[in-house]
Amino acid sequence: DSGVTQTPKHLITATGQRVTLRCSPRSGDLSVYWYQQSLDQGLQFLIQYYNGEERAKGNILERFSAQQFPDLHSELNLSSLELGDSALYFCASSVGRGGTGELFFGEGSRLTVL
Amino acid sequence: KNQVEQSPQSLIILEGKNCTLQCNYTVSPFSNLRWYKQDTGRGPVSLTIMTFSENTKSNGRYTATLDADTKQSSLHITASQLSDSASYICVVSLYNNNDMRFGAGTRLTVKP
Repeated sequence: DSGVTQTPKHLITATGQRVTLRCSPRSGDLSVYWYQQSLDQGLQFLIQYYNGEERAKGNILERFSAQQFPDLHSELNLSSLELGDSALYFCASSVGRGGTGELFFGEGSRLTVL
Repeated sequence: KNQVEQSPQSLIILEGKNCTLQCNYTVSPFSNLRWYKQDTGRGPVSLTIMTFSENTKSNGRYTATLDADTKQSSLHITASQLSDSASYICVVSLYNNNDMRFGAGTRLTVKP
């Protein structure tokens, strides 16, 4: 158990809909990262938050947004969903703001868009 | 173009055999390199992390090597077990802004 909690584990929805994925980082970790992994693809970095503020942005679509709350949990909002958004969405956390520390991943949220 | 290239893309070996996975990167300036194991449908789990000054690190039957001059790393798995079947991901961090670059992974299948 990495200590990173993601909900829901599975989600099925229709095109055009909006969903919210939630992540609780490990106790004491200030950074939260979101990744997308499509079928048989590598992990694609979406966005990072550090202590409530956006720190880095990857290939995140404009239809997607995220935030980190004062209690450090984070939410990834996906709107106007398309079939191609079907993927595993992983959250990871680390203590520091950068990539030098250990990165702990959650078990992912599997999104299926029909 | 991905700045972290892994090879082979997939590999099938028999239980008990050894194997070596490769990671070549062009990321610069370099901070550290990590290897992760990802079981199908699960989150990646860290195996090793190496900084610029380290050239080898072991974690049980997993041994990672790093040549920062040639920008190459390898992950050697000894006496493979069925539970080693997974994707192995190489991740390189940049020194100046700590961004991380992910390889596409090598999918290893260990057969009895």
